[in-house]
Amino acid sequence: QVQLVQSGAEVKKPGASVKVSCKASGYIFTSYYMHWVRQAPGQGLEWMGIINPSIGSTTYAQKFQGRVTMTRDKSTNTVYMELSSLRSEDTAMYYCARDRSGSDSGAFDIWGQGTMVTVSS
Amino acid sequence: EIVLTQSPGTLSLSPGERATLSCRASQSVSSTYLAWYQQKPGQAPSLLIYGASSRATGIPDRFSGSGSATDFTLTINRLEPADFAVYYCQQYGSSPRTFGQGTILEI
Repeated sequence: QVQLVQSGAEVKKPGASVKVSCKASGYIFTSYYMHWVRQAPGQGLEWMGIINPSIGSTTYAQKFQGRVTMTRDKSTNTVYMELSSLRSEDTAMYYCARDRSGSDSGAFDIWGQGTMVTVSS
Repeated sequence: EIVLTQSPGTLSLSPGERATLSCRASQSVSSTYLAWYQQKPGQAPSLLIYGASSRATGIPDRFSGSGSATDFTLTINRLEPADFAVYYCQQYGSSPRTFGQGTILEI
């Protein structure tokens, strides 16, 4: 079945970086763009950016420009999201989510289970 | 960026009733690129409606979406206990994709 499985929870100190993985299975990895969305505790959903797994091109939300890097490994059907210069406000659940359209213009039809990132000194 | 405002913030209803959730955009959402998601506690969001009115795979016809341009509605008929959750609207017609702040549907 189609699924996205994310890496486990992380605890980081302020100023550090975190890299979250999202492994896709059950479909052709390079045929669907992947988004990253985060959700602070008790808060709403915030879009971070998108990656085209076929060629690796990315678009980031302006808020995260310069701090976020999205990459992919086609050999393992995995996308990664790295966030640097972490601060307490980055404490959140991070989700990968597949774009259903086959390009970058669709709703998010498959979601990972989420990865909790806690930033604390 | 397009700001989405959902109302009400919290909706208190009983099983069997109808829920009507609203999502208003600060500017027109192109080509009805509007989606609705359901999120239950401790779970990832799940897609309910895309293209403003198309149901995602496996979503029962008790869920319906309507609207265009700046005003969109999610209607849930004959509420079941499993429907009580948080609902988010999202526009995906322009970047950055944005979400509404959510409506809590509670018993």
